[in-house]
Amino acid sequence: AQKVTQAQTEISVVEKEDVTLDCVYETRDTTYYLFWYKQPPSGELVFLIRRNSFDEQNEISGRYSWNFQKSTSSFNFTITASQVVDSAVYFCALSEANNFNKFYFGSGTKLNVKP
Amino acid sequence: DVKVTQSSRYLVKRTGEKVFLECVQDMDHENMFWYRQDPGLGLRLIYFSYDVKMKEKGDIPEGYSVSREKKERFSLILESASTNQTSMYLCASSTGSARASEQYFGPGTRLTVT
Repeated sequence: AQKVTQAQTEISVVEKEDVTLDCVYETRDTTYYLFWYKQPPSGELVFLIRRNSFDEQNEISGRYSWNFQKSTSSFNFTITASQVVDSAVYFCALSEANNFNKFYFGSGTKLNVKP
Repeated sequence: DVKVTQSSRYLVKRTGEKVFLECVQDMDHENMFWYRQDPGLGLRLIYFSYDVKMKEKGDIPEGYSVSREKKERFSLILESASTNQTSMYLCASSTGSARASEQYFGPGTRLTVT
């Protein structure tokens, strides 16, 4: 079974629209970490955020915000006022207490932001 | 800035050839990883190494081997390349710690096996 599900394969928005990328995870561990990465067309994955399972506070960083809800096993990512430079593939990932070095990645969501 | 470099951005090899993909990191990271990325499948872990000469199999190690003789360098070896190994290969590194450290990625090598 998939440990991380990103059901949205591709999303297209027009610049300045808000967009939310969904991430649902599955784990039996009480201690785990969740991550979001951005992969622009250049190919290199860029780390965006890490959140541990004991911190359910939402986080905001500029136009980016993350909503972590343990009750629904979700860690969704919202981009406010999207820009063309946000066009990329976004990956959500999970690591568990039994082996923090091992990341389980979702299949990614391709975001197209059109001018 | 953390820098992870990979020896080639694009590589074309023939079926049956032995292929070496090299990865170097300059941040003295203990952990290094090799992933392959395929459309619709995300990133899948092939092997990782948590110290020099130490390695562990990931989810899809078949057909691959690795070598880590120096801390900064982690090589992925395709002993006899096959067409189903055509893919994007990503190397990553992270610090060794008691908690999950973010992984830093290289630019990737797009390998085509004909």
